[in-house]
Amino acid sequence: DVKVTQSSRYLVKRTGEKVFLECVQDMDHENMFWYRQDPGLGLRLIYFSYDVKMKEKGDIPEGYSVSREKKERFSLILESASTNQTSMYLCASKSHPTIYEQYFGPGTRLTVT
Amino acid sequence: SQQGEEDPQALSIQEGENATMNCSYKTSINNLQWYRQNSGRGLVHLILIRSNEREKHSGRLRVTLDTSKKSSSLLITASRAADTASYFCATDPHGSGNTGKLIFGQGTTLQVKP
Repeated sequence: DVKVTQSSRYLVKRTGEKVFLECVQDMDHENMFWYRQDPGLGLRLIYFSYDVKMKEKGDIPEGYSVSREKKERFSLILESASTNQTSMYLCASKSHPTIYEQYFGPGTRLTVT
Repeated sequence: SQQGEEDPQALSIQEGENATMNCSYKTSINNLQWYRQNSGRGLVHLILIRSNEREKHSGRLRVTLDTSKKSSSLLITASRAADTASYFCATDPHGSGNTGKLIFGQGTTLQVKP
């Protein structure tokens, strides 16, 4: 079974802190994604990566950056956390190119105070 | 931007009844997928229907796709309390290439009462 793990289930940070969210997948998937999920807004794509060191902006990249130094690991970075970044963050991965479904991690609920 | 619009936003039924949720989208797609999310957890893939398919079944799930109306429906038959979850449709839009990007709807929250 594909396994996608995220470094924390719950995280509380202060405004202005630099925050790292880590995601690791164990199935050699090429594509990885970071979403945030807010009530009434569904899932919105922040960034995605289709190869090591390759990244592209999603729909809401402002205030975020990402890093993919190894194929299995995709990190989301909040350069200076703000209260409006309080959200559920979901990581996903998929194989390439003919497998279409995405595999999700359990999510990180981030609270910025 | 969010492509999928789901209807209803919330649905409450008794165990054993059928549950139907709908999804509309705006642009041409390669395929449409449905995912389930149990409370506070990640999403789990349920079923995929390609743009050239009209109906697909998987166990108690039945998905239909009408590309002329840009809409899809998910039917869960003989529902169980364990089906209580949020359900999301996700579209793979034309032109996304090999990025694998999906556009998710806002979700339908289903409650199945025992």
